Amino acid sequence: AQKITQTQPGMFVQEKEAVTLDCTYDTSDPSYGLFWYKQPSSGEMIFLIYQGSYDQQNATEGRYSLNFQKARKSANLVISASQLGDSAMYFCAMREFIGAGGTSYGKLTFGQGTILTVHP
Amino acid sequence: EAQVTQNPRYLITVTGKKLTVTCSQNMNHEYMSWYRQDPGLGLRQIYYSMNVEVTDKGDVPEGYKVSRKEKRNFPLILESPSPNQTSLYFCASSLGQQYTDTQYFGPGTRLTVL
Repeated sequence: AQKITQTQPGMFVQEKEAVTLDCTYDTSDPSYGLFWYKQPSSGEMIFLIYQGSYDQQNATEGRYSLNFQKARKSANLVISASQLGDSAMYFCAMREFIGAGGTSYGKLTFGQGTILTVHP
Repeated sequence: EAQVTQNPRYLITVTGKKLTVTCSQNMNHEYMSWYRQDPGLGLRQIYYSMNVEVTDKGDVPEGYKVSRKEKRNFPLILESPSPNQTSLYFCASSLGQQYTDTQYFGPGTRLTVL
């Protein structure tokens, strides 16, 4: 089963509008971290925002916010006031707890990504 | 500037010719990892290291070797590259291995094996 699911292969948004990129996750561990990364066409992987499973409030970083709904196991990225430079692939990723008997060993598990295109 | 660097950024090689992709971080991070990114398969972990001299296999370790002799460096070695190792490779590092630690990525190395 997929641990991270991004159901939107592509999204389009008008410049200056807000856009929501969907991410659902699957884990039985109560301790985990959720991350969003941006990959522009140049290829690098840029960290955007983090949400811990015990965090009570939704994370925000500038124009990025994370809509965390723990019961639904969703961690959607919201980009406000889109800019042309926001056009890129966006990845949702999860890092699970390393404890006794844990098997994740600190790796990030990524979704398949969503290509965002911002139109002028 | 805090960063993860990788070299080379682009490499075209031939089957069987040993190569090394270097990775270095200047953030004093304990955890380092290699991923490969392939269309349709996403990013998958190759190897990771929790500290100096401590390395272990990730999900797709076949055909790769790593070493961690110094905290800052974590080279990826392909002793006999094959065309199925053509991919985009990322090195990443984080303070530790816990779920609260953010992994920061290098710029990527685009490898083509002919």
